[in-house]
Amino acid sequence: GAVVSQHPSRVICKSGTSVKIECRSLDFQATTMFWYRQFPKKSLMLMATSNEGSKATYEQGVEKDKFLINHASLTLSTLTVTSAHPEDSSFYICSARDRRHTYEQYFGPGTRLTVT
Amino acid sequence: GENVEQHPSTLSVQEGDSAVIKCTYSDSASNYFPWYKQELGKRPQLIIDIRSNVGEKKDQRIAVTLNKTAKHFSLHITETQPEDSAVYFCAASDGTSYDKVIFGPGTSLSVIP
Repeated sequence: GAVVSQHPSRVICKSGTSVKIECRSLDFQATTMFWYRQFPKKSLMLMATSNEGSKATYEQGVEKDKFLINHASLTLSTLTVTSAHPEDSSFYICSARDRRHTYEQYFGPGTRLTVT
Repeated sequence: GENVEQHPSTLSVQEGDSAVIKCTYSDSASNYFPWYKQELGKRPQLIIDIRSNVGEKKDQRIAVTLNKTAKHFSLHITETQPEDSAVYFCAASDGTSYDKVIFGPGTSLSVIP
């Protein structure tokens, strides 16, 4: 149980284009999902908290107009990187919290984004 | 907001020895402290967690201790095996928002056969 999937696993896009990443909880309902960014050999940096049916809460320094988050259902959250640039290249990981449990987060496998 | 520090950044031990990773946090309101293991290119996996009403928790070869007064918590791995080699992250709940956790910088553990 508690499986989280992400799609795509890898994506290469041209500078200036937008990329959408999907995060799904496969066997549980997630009222809250989280989006992280991870640079090579670095820790997970929380970008935003995504709550079903409401606007995402962004961490300080994260541009909400650049990283659009939509949490339209209890099993799906999407992150859209708009007008991507090479500096947006990174590993993006989502996590989801089972609404039945208070704290535990389950992570997706991550998406490697490369902007050329 | 919460700030989590972690030491050491790298740790190398002989197979069979114990490994200890230590973390400190800044927000006295934090009440949830998970530990994650991340292998290269893989997703973080929760290995153990502890809540503030407990001082110690053990699961087979893994144990976590929490000192709320000093605001530090530690991960102990006994009888280490090569498959324990990975990056380990501690985290602490954000005291102002129990929804999220803040991660430490990570410890790269190498277990030498």
